[in-house]
Amino acid sequence: SQQGEEDPQALSIQEGENATMNCSYKTSINNLQWYRQNSGRGLVHLILIRSNEREKHSGRLRVTLDTSKKSSSLLITASRAADTASYFCATDATGGYQKVTFGTGTKLQVIP
Amino acid sequence: NAGVTQTPKFQVLKTGQSMTLQCAQDMNHNSMYWYRQDPGMGLRLIYYSASEGTTDKGEVPNGYNVSRLNKREFSLRLESAAPSQTSVYFCASSDGQFNEKLFFGSGTQLSVL
Repeated sequence: SQQGEEDPQALSIQEGENATMNCSYKTSINNLQWYRQNSGRGLVHLILIRSNEREKHSGRLRVTLDTSKKSSSLLITASRAADTASYFCATDATGGYQKVTFGTGTKLQVIP
Repeated sequence: NAGVTQTPKFQVLKTGQSMTLQCAQDMNHNSMYWYRQDPGMGLRLIYYSASEGTTDKGEVPNGYNVSRLNKREFSLRLESAAPSQTSVYFCASSDGQFNEKLFFGSGTQLSVL
């Protein structure tokens, strides 16, 4: 089974609203990353948070990490139609920096 | 910058045929990866190469082999293709030392009939 699981699997919101998606993982990690995938394209890196960090911001993105609960959340504020995409979390297990595994993804639809 | 280049973009195979997916990166990255993506499954790691000269199994390595030809190139080989290997395959690379971000190729859509 996969290391990470995103929740919800799908999310539909109106433009301007905030979107929150969650990621849970199974083993201790060094870092957690979030990626976006537009339909039919490769993944694009959004943000990386290290295991000793609790919160990180990048533009309209806010990521939190709770290592005690083995979970992370991605908040997209003031969503736009262009944010419509699938979002994935990715982790590397402690001691294995280069083995990066992905979750199952959240499909976000932002309605104009 | 080309980034990560995968070839071919599309391929149709018959069961039992073999083929090699090519991947090259021009960012002088140490680590390279092969993933497959199936509907509803997210990305699953097939093999990865932490550095030139090393390869390791990922989550779903059965039915695949890899070669890290040099620092730039990382190929994925299907020796005897099966319908279960129908998927979209992505190659990625990263600097690797501190798990910096992955850069992805545009993918290869493979159908095995």
